[in-house]
Amino acid sequence: SQQGEEDPQALSIQEGENATMNCSYKTSINNLQWYRQNSGRGLVHLILIRSNEREKHSGRLRVTLDTSKKSSSLLITASRAADTASYFCATDGAAGNKLTFGGGTRVLVKP
Amino acid sequence: GAGVSQSPSNKVTEKGKDVELRCDPISGHTALYWYRQSLGQGLEFLIYFQGNSAPDKSGLPSDRFSAERTGGSVSTLTIQRTQQEDSAVYLCASSLTRGEQYFGPGTRLTVT
Repeated sequence: SQQGEEDPQALSIQEGENATMNCSYKTSINNLQWYRQNSGRGLVHLILIRSNEREKHSGRLRVTLDTSKKSSSLLITASRAADTASYFCATDGAAGNKLTFGGGTRVLVKP
Repeated sequence: GAGVSQSPSNKVTEKGKDVELRCDPISGHTALYWYRQSLGQGLEFLIYFQGNSAPDKSGLPSDRFSAERTGGSVSTLTIQRTQQEDSAVYLCASSLTRGEQYFGPGTRLTVT
């Protein structure tokens, strides 16, 4: 079963706008990762945030983590049409290295 | 360098037949994972291999599913007596350390 819930399930924005999506999880974690998936095939790793970190940046991506609320957010700034994809959060728990994925957020960036 | 590769990219099989899906991880990666993704859903963990340790099979949905990893490299996921609910994209990933996983393009399995 999936650990995480992602919100919203789908998001449609104009190019240049920011996109924000949230992820909640249930159990303690070692780290939380965000992945992007195009066309329902392979996933690409975007960013990893460790349980002792609160915020991390990578290019136009900003991730926050609140372990007290068991939640994370991914912000994509100045979105581009090429950012159109599904975005998944995944948690790496204390029990092992397997990732537990959320249901994903489908993002559509309109040119 | 080469990424994770999977074969076949697509597989259509009749209900009741056995199928084998192959994964070639990135050279040197000690960890290998299999996930399953049904249409429009997130990924579901199936099985995890780490070095010479016993695999974590906790995600396998039934005893019709099995996987091997030979020589610490290539892995094969076998589904026996396939059912229509087995239709999904099967994704393989590998990693060097705990953290970022590198995914292959997946095998889309359709059971008719």
